[in-house]
Amino acid sequence: ILNVEQSPQSLHVQEGDSTNFTCSFPSSNFYALHWYRWETAKSPEALFVMTLNGDEKKKGRISATLNTKEGYSYLYIKGSQPEDSATYLCATGGSQGNLIFGKGTKLSVKP
Amino acid sequence: DAGVIQSPRHEVTEMGQEVTLRCKPISGHNSLFWYRQTMMRGLELLIYFNNNVPIDDSGMPEDRFSAKMPNASFSTLKIQPSEPRDSAVYFCASSFSRSSGNTIYFGEGSWLTVV
Repeated sequence: ILNVEQSPQSLHVQEGDSTNFTCSFPSSNFYALHWYRWETAKSPEALFVMTLNGDEKKKGRISATLNTKEGYSYLYIKGSQPEDSATYLCATGGSQGNLIFGKGTKLSVKP
Repeated sequence: DAGVIQSPRHEVTEMGQEVTLRCKPISGHNSLFWYRQTMMRGLELLIYFNNNVPIDDSGMPEDRFSAKMPNASFSTLKIQPSEPRDSAVYFCASSFSRSSGNTIYFGEGSWLTVV
């Protein structure tokens, strides 16, 4: 059974601060690591999919890294803005595309 | 292109009533997933289908829950009878292909409250 852990559970930062969160997952039988951004009352939105050890992805001020050997991924947000406030979910999956999600990190950015 | 469409968006029902949640996946996608979001357990995978066939329903909490996918463009999740602890947001999602390297796309969720 896959167990995906995320930390911290919640995070409060000031506008302009840079921040990062962690996702831990089993390193055996790894297929892919996904990051999603979820604002309440909206659909979770895909940010990144990473498959190879050492992968780094970037979208604007948000970036992510992947270490499949030790089973972790980091998500970084540079210069946080209030609109970055959301829950950030990571997920890893089985061979058939079924994703198992962590409980998420809830980010609040104060102006 | 329309995304994953779920209905109803919100439902409030009394304990013991039957609840049916509906999902229309993105056209062309061949995998469909039902997830449940609660504060305590986060986003849990309930069941998923490939090419309309249920592959793994081990996440379905009890026999009160059932899901069907009669064709490629429609799926239902039914709870009968409903209980207050079933209150949650139920998400439907779809993707193309069977690889976990493929992005899955979520609907906006069905917010269920059982009183």
